[in-house]
Amino acid sequence: GQQVMQIPQYQHVQEGEDFTTYCNSSTTLSNIQWYKQRPGGHPVFLIQLVKSGEVKKQKRLTFQFGEAKKNSSLHITATQTTDVGTYFCAGRTAGNNRKLIWGLGTSLAVNP
Amino acid sequence: NAGVTQTPKFQVLKTGQSMTLQCAQDMNHEYMSWYRQDPGMGLRLIHYSVGAGITDQGEVPNGYNVSRSTTEDFPLRLLSAAPSQTSVYFCASSYSNSHSGNTIYFGEGSWLTVV
Repeated sequence: GQQVMQIPQYQHVQEGEDFTTYCNSSTTLSNIQWYKQRPGGHPVFLIQLVKSGEVKKQKRLTFQFGEAKKNSSLHITATQTTDVGTYFCAGRTAGNNRKLIWGLGTSLAVNP
Repeated sequence: NAGVTQTPKFQVLKTGQSMTLQCAQDMNHEYMSWYRQDPGMGLRLIHYSVGAGITDQGEVPNGYNVSRSTTEDFPLRLLSAAPSQTSVYFCASSYSNSHSGNTIYFGEGSWLTVV
């Protein structure tokens, strides 16, 4: 079936290091969203990417949508302890029967 | 504007008991859904609704019922709780399920333990 693979599953970094999580879809997506879930919290919407090759920035976070609209990445520059949490991508399939497919998430731990 | 409100936050059930997780949103969203989250399994869709009076099954619907009598409310019923239903449950809503304008807002979660 249709899948969105998200890697890595876990990442442990030293504060100040960069971090990247990747999502790869088995099918072309109409858009992709990114969410952040703090430990013990609920997923919170970060951003939506729609256009092929789109790049969006939110302060230290950079989001990219691949040219083929099948992959996406989230890059955090100079991580801080406030970045701790699980980052999920959610891709919406293209075509008539649009489904939202969630990646399994990348859990980020940051050592102060 | 409270967003998505779900209750209870914590619940312990005995095997075989039934219960209802309540969910309400005040954003006039058409689309509502219930997810469960288990370690290593991500978010799995249980049931969803595209509007009042309309519900449909998601990825893992067995053992759960839903109804959508109003736009605001979308309760999730566990018919006969089983230990496999121990999980964190999230209610979510969005303006629509269409291509655009579909930011998903999540409730704060309900931690359910079935013993």
